[in-house]
Amino acid sequence: QKEVEQDPGPLSVPEGAIVSLNCTYSNSAFQYFMWYRQYSRKGPELLMYTYSSGNKEDGRFTAQVDKSSKYISLFIRDSQPSDSATYLCAMSVIQGAQKLVFGQGTRLTINP
Amino acid sequence: EAGVAQSPRYKIIEKRQSVAFWCNPISGHATLYWYQQILGQGPKLLIQFQNNGVVDDSQLPKDRFSAERLKGVDSTLKIQPAKLEDSAVYLCASSSGQGIIFREQYFGPGTRLTVT
Repeated sequence: QKEVEQDPGPLSVPEGAIVSLNCTYSNSAFQYFMWYRQYSRKGPELLMYTYSSGNKEDGRFTAQVDKSSKYISLFIRDSQPSDSATYLCAMSVIQGAQKLVFGQGTRLTINP
Repeated sequence: EAGVAQSPRYKIIEKRQSVAFWCNPISGHATLYWYQQILGQGPKLLIQFQNNGVVDDSQLPKDRFSAERLKGVDSTLKIQPAKLEDSAVYLCASSSGQGIIFREQYFGPGTRLTVT
């Protein structure tokens, strides 16, 4: 079993739709939960991070962590064609090297 | 602030040849990471440096891969000899340090390696 599981998609939605992206994990030691966005032929860039359980909102993006279910989500409201990218969830423990463990990535396309 | 620089951007080699990738992290960042991203997968950590010391190389195939960060700044990752399954994007990332405070990792654009 992989430490982090993510549905690879692809996911295609119309512009303006609400998008939900999800990951599950097995390591209960993870404390930092991140979402990265990766455009084609670019490196990943950090979109949001959360510490432990709860919700965090940043503009049209909301990150949600449920540690009891070992489940994290990213919601995108009013999706735009510029949001078309691969979204990667990543997790790390809180101390020391903070080694990132990534999910497989979900390829998202927003259709105008 | 300049980002993480990597070169070359693309490389095509035949199996059993050797190849080297270069990374220059963000100025002042003590921690440097090399990741391997196979098509359709998330990045996988190969090696992590703190200054010029290795913190974690548990997933580095040491029979063919090597990496160094001699002066604690830029770094080189080498593959010798290459195999077909080494075809991937090699990403370099850097962060300002370690510890319990969250440290964002900044990624370079990657080097796309194709082994034929």
